Amino acid sequence: AQSVTQLGSHVSVSEGALVLLRCNYSSSVPPYLFWYVQYPNQGLQLLLKYTSAATLVKGINGFEAEFKKSETSFHLTKPSAHMSDAAEYFCAVRSNTGFQKLVFGTGTRLLVSP
Amino acid sequence: DAMVIQNPRYQVTQFGKPVTLSCSQTLNHNVMYWYQQKSSQAPKLLFHYYDKDFNNEADTPDNFQSRRPNTSFCFLDIRSPGLGDAAMYLCATSRSGTENEKLFFGSGTQLSVL
Repeated sequence: AQSVTQLGSHVSVSEGALVLLRCNYSSSVPPYLFWYVQYPNQGLQLLLKYTSAATLVKGINGFEAEFKKSETSFHLTKPSAHMSDAAEYFCAVRSNTGFQKLVFGTGTRLLVSP
Repeated sequence: DAMVIQNPRYQVTQFGKPVTLSCSQTLNHNVMYWYQQKSSQAPKLLFHYYDKDFNNEADTPDNFQSRRPNTSFCFLDIRSPGLGDAAMYLCATSRSGTENEKLFFGSGTQLSVL
């Protein structure tokens, strides 16, 4: 079965600093990987997705993620954090068994300080 | 414009008192999902509808039911809520459930059980 692991339930950065949120996946076949963001009291919004077209994927709000098969990773980065980036970030993988449901990681809360 | 709408935003019910959460969509998507998200945890898929076909996850308790009377609406019924059912309930849609599709989420309903 497909799964993702997010390292670090909380990440704190200063405004303007690099953001790095880690995600590792487990899959026996080439995966479809996603990053979603959840702002307080809101639903989830897609940031970006990997679908094998390109290993470096650019998303909204200046975020990008790089698919590294050798490391089974799909880490999310942003060069310069903004206060508005403070949110919960979920990595997810599309299951390839039965109906291809989305399986989420446990999330990483990003805290941005002035 | 809101595309996946969940009502109410906050719902309080009593232990054992049936409660219904609603979701509507203006996207004309074939697939509608219900996720349960407990505090500081990953969203967990309860079930989904592909058109009129209901698909229950194996570990979804019998206490949780769903109805989809038409394409636009989907309901989550909790027959006898327990304290452990307090969570955010997220409705999501997708066009056809294929591998690289993104899900569109509503803002969620926060359920409290007293």
